[in-house]
Amino acid sequence: AQSVTQPDIHITVSEGASLELRCNYSYGATPYLFWYVQSPGQGLQLLLKYFSGDTLVQGIKGFEAEFKRSQSSFNLRKPSVHWSDAAEYFCAVGANAGKSTFGDGTTLTVKP
Amino acid sequence: DAGITQSPRHKVTETGTPVTLRCHQTENHRYMYWYRQDPGHGLRLIHYSYGVKDTDKGEVSDGYSVSRSKTEDFLLTLESATSSQTSVYFCASTRGESTDTQYFGPGTRLTVL
Repeated sequence: AQSVTQPDIHITVSEGASLELRCNYSYGATPYLFWYVQSPGQGLQLLLKYFSGDTLVQGIKGFEAEFKRSQSSFNLRKPSVHWSDAAEYFCAVGANAGKSTFGDGTTLTVKP
Repeated sequence: DAGITQSPRHKVTETGTPVTLRCHQTENHRYMYWYRQDPGHGLRLIHYSYGVKDTDKGEVSDGYSVSRSKTEDFLLTLESATSSQTSVYFCASTRGESTDTQYFGPGTRLTVL
């Protein structure tokens, strides 16, 4: 069975500081991995996805994520956080985009 | 952004009443999905469709049914709503199944009293 763990329920960072959101997964084969962002009252928006190839994936809004097979991780990073990045972030794993298993999410608060 | 709308956006109903939520997409996507989102649980797949009249169950399908009579519309029905079905419901669609980007609707907040 596939599963996703986002160890941090809530993270607070100062504007301009770097950010790393953790995601660990369990999957029996080479996974498809996704990061989504959800602003309050909105649906989810895809930030980036990994299927194969280069393990460092670039996404929208200046985010990137690195796939580490040995650690079963797919952590999301951003070098300098903006106040507009405050949102909830979800990692997902699966054989395809639609039938993915989602993590429980990490809420990001950005301090001025 | 893909054109996915959901209706209604908010609904309050009573236990035991039937409820139908509608998802409409204008992208001619083949695959459509219904999820529920609850605090501390992320998103969980209820049902999905891989074409007109072709649907299958997700991980939390009990108490829900779906129908897809047209490519653009995917209906989620709660035959007899229960308080445990109070949640935020999201619809999503993809053009293909595997690597395509999944586009989400804005959500429907359902409260069952």
